[in-house]
Amino acid sequence: GNSVTQMEGPVTLSEEAFLTINCTYTATGYPSLFWYVQYPGEGLQLLLKATKADDKGSNKGFEATYRKETTSFHLEKGSVQVSDSAVYFCALRDNTNAGKSTFGDGTTLTVKP
Amino acid sequence: DSGVTQTPKHLITATGQRVTLRCSPRSGDLSVYWYQQSLDQGLQFLIHYYNGEERAKGNILERFSAQQFPDLHSELNLSSLELGDSALYFCASSVATDSYEQYFGPGTRLTVT
Repeated sequence: GNSVTQMEGPVTLSEEAFLTINCTYTATGYPSLFWYVQYPGEGLQLLLKATKADDKGSNKGFEATYRKETTSFHLEKGSVQVSDSAVYFCALRDNTNAGKSTFGDGTTLTVKP
Repeated sequence: DSGVTQTPKHLITATGQRVTLRCSPRSGDLSVYWYQQSLDQGLQFLIHYYNGEERAKGNILERFSAQQFPDLHSELNLSSLELGDSALYFCASSVATDSYEQYFGPGTRLTVT
């Protein structure tokens, strides 16, 4: 079956530091890939997506590139802010199986001023 | 605010009982998805409905069932509750079955004592 493996947290960074959260996946076919963010007490929000190999998703300074050869979709941001503190989920959508989604375990990011 | 509403926000009940969680999707969205988020299992896809019909099933127990009504709201029924069913239950909606973006509700926190 499909699976998503995320870098274990928690991750603690100082403001303006560079962020990388690793994500690798296993899937049959050609899934779509996503990063979601969950702020305390809220539901998940879509942060960015990539629907085919070599696509780069970007939003709010975050970026991730769909790498088919390494089955990865690492999340990066050049300069994090305190407001980026949240839990980040990598996910894939199986486009051959009624759009069934598989999520990683989530990585908690804390940014200190 | 994603536009997806879930009720109740919190629910505390005893083992063996049955509960119903309710979800109203965003206006115009025909797809509804249910997820379970627990500390030990992470975020698990349970079931997907589109315009009243079941489209995909994930890791949903036989004790759990769902339906989507003609007005497109959905209910998740959990019966013979066990301690391990304590979790956050999220509903998400999207415009269609192949939409990439899912909008998540704030969740219902279920505690089974």
